[in-house]
Amino acid sequence: DQQVKQNSPSLSVQEGRISILNCDYTNSMFDYFLWYKKYPAEGPTFLISISSIKDKNEDGRFTVFLNKSAKHLSLHIVPSQPGDSAVYFCAASRIQGAQKLVFGQGTRLTINP
Amino acid sequence: DAGVIQSPRHEVTEMGQEVTLRCKPISGHNSLFWYRQTMMRGLELLIYFNNNVPIDDSGMPEDRFSAKMPNASFSTLKIQPSEPRDSAVYFCASRFATGTLGHYGYTFGSGTRLTVV
Repeated sequence: DQQVKQNSPSLSVQEGRISILNCDYTNSMFDYFLWYKKYPAEGPTFLISISSIKDKNEDGRFTVFLNKSAKHLSLHIVPSQPGDSAVYFCAASRIQGAQKLVFGQGTRLTINP
Repeated sequence: DAGVIQSPRHEVTEMGQEVTLRCKPISGHNSLFWYRQTMMRGLELLIYFNNNVPIDDSGMPEDRFSAKMPNASFSTLKIQPSEPRDSAVYFCASRFATGTLGHYGYTFGSGTRLTVV
């Protein structure tokens, strides 16, 4: 049972346009969500996070939106740059107690010049 | 700090052989996690340790997998006997656990790509 799902294995976007990556979760106990970025032959690195008390968190070109009622979050990258080409993983956890992150399958983002 | 160090980077082994993956967490981190990356399931948590003690091993696929953390600076993940379906990238991650997750996420190693033929 996949508690965190990224239904799009890949996404291709033109440089300068907006990239939108989506993620759904099933466990209503999750109250903290993160996005990680992974380049080939490297480990994932933390990108941005959001707690369930918010519905939006912004960091430069990256914005994460959370819709708790739909159990859905999305990552927006504006404007998209070639260096953003990577695999993006959505992850979920609980702030208190359990410390493990549950990850989705990942979405491979390709930014075309 | 050199980050989380995993070895080997690549491992090719024959079915039935024993495989040992190694991880050195970041000094001072007290939680260590082993993940496996596959196309179908993404990053799956296999096991994690707090203060060298295994806390949750529910993700370990079967008895062929075992993990140890004999001290704060070293952990191993062993597969015996290995099977072709074990082929994947295995990541180790560490963090300093404060009781709350906050924004202090994991630091991942570069992974070990395991191929079982």
